[in-house]
Amino acid sequence: EPEVTQTPSHQVTQMGQEVILRCVPISNHLYFYWYRQILGQKVEFLVSFYNNEISEKSEIFDDQFSVERPDGSNFTLKIRSTKLEDSAMYFCASSAGQGGSNEKLFFGSGTQLSVL
Amino acid sequence: AQTVTQSQPEMSVQEAETVTLSCTYDTSENNYYLFWYKQPPSRQMILVIRQEAYKQQNATENRFSVNFQKAAKSFSLKISDSQLGDTAMYFCASPNFGNEKLTFGTGTRLTIIP
Repeated sequence: EPEVTQTPSHQVTQMGQEVILRCVPISNHLYFYWYRQILGQKVEFLVSFYNNEISEKSEIFDDQFSVERPDGSNFTLKIRSTKLEDSAMYFCASSAGQGGSNEKLFFGSGTQLSVL
Repeated sequence: AQTVTQSQPEMSVQEAETVTLSCTYDTSENNYYLFWYKQPPSRQMILVIRQEAYKQQNATENRFSVNFQKAAKSFSLKISDSQLGDTAMYFCASPNFGNEKLTFGTGTRLTIIP
């Protein structure tokens, strides 16, 4: 079965540093997402991306966050100046159609971000 | 706002027994999908089963089935003949129709006891 690939699996950074989390969605998918899960809490939506632009974002996704699809295969999440509370597992996901309402959402295995 | 409620933070059953995890949700839509995701200790998110709200028949995937009560907005997951590999967090999820995001419940930690 096709997979969503995320790298790195674990990222450690100092508070205030910039981090870029990388994802390779499934090749024929059109919708891309980032979710995050703080340890012990539920999974939360961050942002959805379609046709090279953000289609929806949550309150969590403030000006410190940005997403990009720099080429035909990668989808990245950048956190400009990390805070301690950004420590979480970040999941990338993709779907062939509009995710959630009628399509299967494929998740990557996550990047654990630890901000020190 | 969309809400998804899982009222059982933790459950445990003996191997080979049947267990049911509960989920209720809130939506004003008529056509939507509901999902159960499994998160093992590796923390990967794995789709277990999905239910189409406009279908009256409950979805089934091998040992996993749902009891979908549309009027009650209830969507429980039944695991039959439970196995040690079923030990995981289980999240119920519902989409916000008209946009793309999934809203997740707080999860149920299921432990299968040998």
